[in-house]
Amino acid sequence: EAQVTQNPRYLITVTGKKLTVTCSQNMNHEYMSWYRQDPGLGLRQIYYSMNVEVTDKGDVPEGYKVSRKEKRNFPLILESPSPNQTSLYFCASRLQTGQGYGYTFGSGTRLTVV
Amino acid sequence: AQSVAQPEDQVNVAEGNPLTVKCTYSVSGNPYLFWYVQYPNRGLQFLLKYITGDNLVKGSYGFEAEFNKSQTSFHLKKPSALVSDSALYFCAGGASGSARQLTFGSGTQLTVLP
Repeated sequence: EAQVTQNPRYLITVTGKKLTVTCSQNMNHEYMSWYRQDPGLGLRQIYYSMNVEVTDKGDVPEGYKVSRKEKRNFPLILESPSPNQTSLYFCASRLQTGQGYGYTFGSGTRLTVV
Repeated sequence: AQSVAQPEDQVNVAEGNPLTVKCTYSVSGNPYLFWYVQYPNRGLQFLLKYITGDNLVKGSYGFEAEFNKSQTSFHLKKPSALVSDSALYFCAGGASGSARQLTFGSGTQLTVLP
């Protein structure tokens, strides 16, 4: 089944403790992206990657890092999480060719930083 | 900068009545536009898209959307609402040729009353 898999689904952590949220897709998509969803703000793009070793900042990149060493994986790294990073996070992927293709989204990761 | 606006946080409609969820966009050049739906504790699911061609786009679950270039709108519609249509709906858009891809609206919670 074609899908985007995120782990973990739920995570509670303490301020300053480094964490990684994994994202993997099995559709050979070039383009991958991370979003955070907050009430009243919709989805805001954190980082995106147009292919292996090619990443760029989205609208809200502060406090986050990403890497794209393999085509299928696009982990989101919080080096020193803070409470304002408490949010619902989504990974998404799509084919790069033909911008008319929509995203496939993961099921989300609900992160709480205390 | 591109933007997508959903002016209504909440839309209530009686089952069997037509529904409309509004979306306006601001992008440079030719837009491509999407509607996604999110059910509780789930990721976003693709409903429909407009890239070019007919202004009336038909999508999944009986939904359709009308692209209006002069009003820069892309409203989601359904002739007869079902209780099971109750969910959070997101409009998203981008400019053809944009590497930044999609910008999402803030979401509209649709509640269909039995």
